[in-house]
Amino acid sequence: DAGVIQSPRHEVTEMGQEVTLRCKPISGHNSLFWYRQTMMRGLELLIYFNNNVPIDDSGMPEDRFSAKMPNASFSTLKIQPSEPRDSAVYFCASSGQTYTEAFFGQGTRLTVV
Amino acid sequence: DQQVKQNSPSLSVQEGRISILNCDYTNSMFDYFLWYKKYPAEGPTFLISISSIKDKNEDGRFTVFLNKSAKHLSLHIVPSQPGDSAVYFCAAQSGYALNFGKGTSLLVTP
Repeated sequence: DAGVIQSPRHEVTEMGQEVTLRCKPISGHNSLFWYRQTMMRGLELLIYFNNNVPIDDSGMPEDRFSAKMPNASFSTLKIQPSEPRDSAVYFCASSGQTYTEAFFGQGTRLTVV
Repeated sequence: DQQVKQNSPSLSVQEGRISILNCDYTNSMFDYFLWYKKYPAEGPTFLISISSIKDKNEDGRFTVFLNKSAKHLSLHIVPSQPGDSAVYFCAAQSGYALNFGKGTSLLVTP
């Protein structure tokens, strides 16, 4: 299995532009998570999907952030409009069951200038 | 509010010695604990876990200890190897969500 696949690996964009991050979870996993890593806050959960349905989006920082999971093999995290403070590494992770480990993608390093 | 805390941002250990990484948590509802290892430019990878019904779990050179009364867990690596140099994240789980500490950067020197 190729693991969790995220794209792009790096994204540099100008403030105000729309940014879309993509994730392909491991086949057969029914839970998908988006995390953001910053120096100040560490790894924080943004949103959790179970069976393609958003269950908890309380970590999404603002209305500028939105996430979708149209099917079991694809999810997107969109930021519109982007701001410099959104610069961070964004990770997608998937797991098959509760109380088992989540598998992380390699992350997308986002820089908003 | 940080519910999982790793108070040592960094740790340096000589090759062959024991590395001890510590983690404290505040939420007594956490019932599953994990350690992840992260190399630069890669995602975190699962290392070892422990259920709250146990106080120790061992996997090769890695052992995790859980002290529920103190709300404390630790990861022991023995013997430490240069390839263990990475950032180690402690995570605590209740239900689906993993709550992560900010990580401890371990450097194992030859």
